[in-house]
Amino acid sequence: EVQLVESGGGLAQPGESLRISCAASGFTFSDHYMDWVRQAPGKGLEWVGRSRDKANRYTTEYAASVKGRFSVSRDDSKNSVYLQMNSLKTEDTAVYYCVRCVRLGIDYVPDPWGQGILVTVAS
Amino acid sequence: DIQMTQSPSSLSASVGDRVTITCRASQGVGEGLAWFQQKPGKAPKTLIYDVSSLYSGVPSKFSGSGAGTDFTLTISNLQPEDFATYYCQQYYAYPLTFGGGTKVEIK
Repeated sequence: EVQLVESGGGLAQPGESLRISCAASGFTFSDHYMDWVRQAPGKGLEWVGRSRDKANRYTTEYAASVKGRFSVSRDDSKNSVYLQMNSLKTEDTAVYYCVRCVRLGIDYVPDPWGQGILVTVAS
Repeated sequence: DIQMTQSPSSLSASVGDRVTITCRASQGVGEGLAWFQQKPGKAPKTLIYDVSSLYSGVPSKFSGSGAGTDFTLTISNLQPEDFATYYCQQYYAYPLTFGGGTKVEIK
């Protein structure tokens, strides 16, 4: 069974840093792209960033709202992907989902999604 | 960035109804369009990818269609478990972007 378990969330003050992790199991982690998607309380989904696989040199992509502040990294030996969040802002408060991307059709399809972890940025 | 606009933002329907949700992109997205279902307090689930392909395990009551900038998700024979919020996402270009969501409620 594919499982994605996020950890490391919690409360941070504006300007601080936080790293959240996602531990994957049940599939060959190194073969997959991994995404982070967030959802502010009561709001819709916002794609945050992507880590491609080793075959694509672990390159990354980011949303404009987090580019330069957040970075996605991974450790295939630990079947884990990370989201390093720096210079946090109150508007970064959200549930953060780790998502596996499956190569299907013309591109990569996100599925499944982790259960999500809450990051709260407040003073 | 490609903007995705969903309509309506919410709708009320009865069990057994057929409902259609629309997603419009600010520019063409080819076939890079997916649909997701999210229930309260739960993570989203993938329903449709590449505009009209049904994801594994998703019942055929869900169908997607469209081309260019205009896309639709249709749910047939609405059942209690289908009442949820639905999102479209384009993956034609980075940054990937979602629509604002459509909440399907029980009438």
